[in-house]
Amino acid sequence: IAGITQAPTSQILAAGRRMTLRCTQDMRHNAMYWYRQDLGLGLRLIHYSNTAGTTGKGEVPDGYSVSRANTDDFPLTLASAVPSQTSVYFCATSIRAHNEQFFGPGTRLTVL
Amino acid sequence: AQSVSQHNHHVILSEAASLELGCNYSYGGTVNLFWYVQYPGQHLQLLLKYFSGDPLVKGIKGFEAEFIKSKFSFNLRKPSVQWSDTAEYFCAVNANGNYGQNFVFGPGTRLSVLP
Repeated sequence: IAGITQAPTSQILAAGRRMTLRCTQDMRHNAMYWYRQDLGLGLRLIHYSNTAGTTGKGEVPDGYSVSRANTDDFPLTLASAVPSQTSVYFCATSIRAHNEQFFGPGTRLTVL
Repeated sequence: AQSVSQHNHHVILSEAASLELGCNYSYGGTVNLFWYVQYPGQHLQLLLKYFSGDPLVKGIKGFEAEFIKSKFSFNLRKPSVQWSDTAEYFCAVNANGNYGQNFVFGPGTRLSVLP
């Protein structure tokens, strides 16, 4: 059972490039989330999706977009990466929006 | 907007010492409360959760937490820590209960346990 997979594991990216971080779950959870984790700031919600076909903005959505075409996949796209987007990105899921969240292994992104 | 604060940025303890990590939130309505742990280089894992009922919640690995509604607190405790408890601990609050965007994490407390 894979649970939640994220790809790539890590990436170094030139500023201005477009990048998509992938998140796939096999738990059939309704809700999915993207967070960024930065030292001293904890986790900050970027975007969320309560169910397939719907998305919403979190605390720090600028510069990021998401889509939720089906239950299992929730890709996060950086249209034009900037150095301030250097971070560790975690995808998470929950059965429903108010339940506990399960986290993927993370993607470490460095934008130069 | 709701917020979550954690009292300590970094706690250093010797093995067998008792642990209490503070967590306070700012929201007057119904909340669901969580503590997560992140071991070095790993993702977050759920330690325990409170939705309703007994305010003293027991979780995995000997951890427990107490919800005190009047103090807006949900402190994490463990009577005797081990070196393997070295990790970062995050308190999280979900207000209203219906929407994922109201799931807010605290800044985290780093725990170092000395052997």
